[in-house]
Amino acid sequence: GAVVSQHPSRVICKSGTSVKIECRSLDFQATTMFWYRQFPKQSLMLMATSNEGSKATYEQGVEKDKFLINHASLTLSTLTVTSAHPEDSSFYICSARPAGQHSYEQYFGPGTRLTVT
Amino acid sequence: QQPVQSPQAVILREGEDAVINCSSSKALYSVHWYRQKHGEAPVFLMILLKGGEQKGHDKISASFNEKKQQSSLYLTASQLSYSGTYFCGTEIAGYSTLTFGKGTMLLVSP
Repeated sequence: GAVVSQHPSRVICKSGTSVKIECRSLDFQATTMFWYRQFPKQSLMLMATSNEGSKATYEQGVEKDKFLINHASLTLSTLTVTSAHPEDSSFYICSARPAGQHSYEQYFGPGTRLTVT
Repeated sequence: QQPVQSPQAVILREGEDAVINCSSSKALYSVHWYRQKHGEAPVFLMILLKGGEQKGHDKISASFNEKKQQSSLYLTASQLSYSGTYFCGTEIAGYSTLTFGKGTMLLVSP
């Protein structure tokens, strides 16, 4: 149980284009999903918290107009990197917290490696 | 504020034990432990809630000292599959966001 998928797993795009990453909880409902960014050999940095049916909450320093988050249902959140640039190249990972009381844990998707050329 | 993990790296032979520590300067609600292998997503190991508890499964266990705001992850009789980077994530309130430490790289050799 508690499986989270991400699509695509890898994407290469040209500078200036937009890329959409999907995060799905496959066997549970998630009222809250999180988007992280991870650079090589570094820790996970939270970008934003996504709640179903409401606007995402962005961490300080994260441009909300550049990283668009939509949490359309209890099993799907999407991250769109708009007008991507080489410095946006990174490993993007989502996580989902199961809905319901006493569910504090987060389950991570397999990640999406974005390379902007 | 980012929790501090120690040590930064550990090299073990199969069958040896290891302890990874995670400490915070803030009062914590919970500590989460994850293991990440290269190029993969973090895998949830366990969560410890305030109240000073211990948890474990198989040969991996953890403790949470609420007074010291510290958690330790214990790996006993390590196996090759234990290799990876271990992250602790801390929460200052329930159902809030996690702040991850910088990670502890564990390498288990035959």
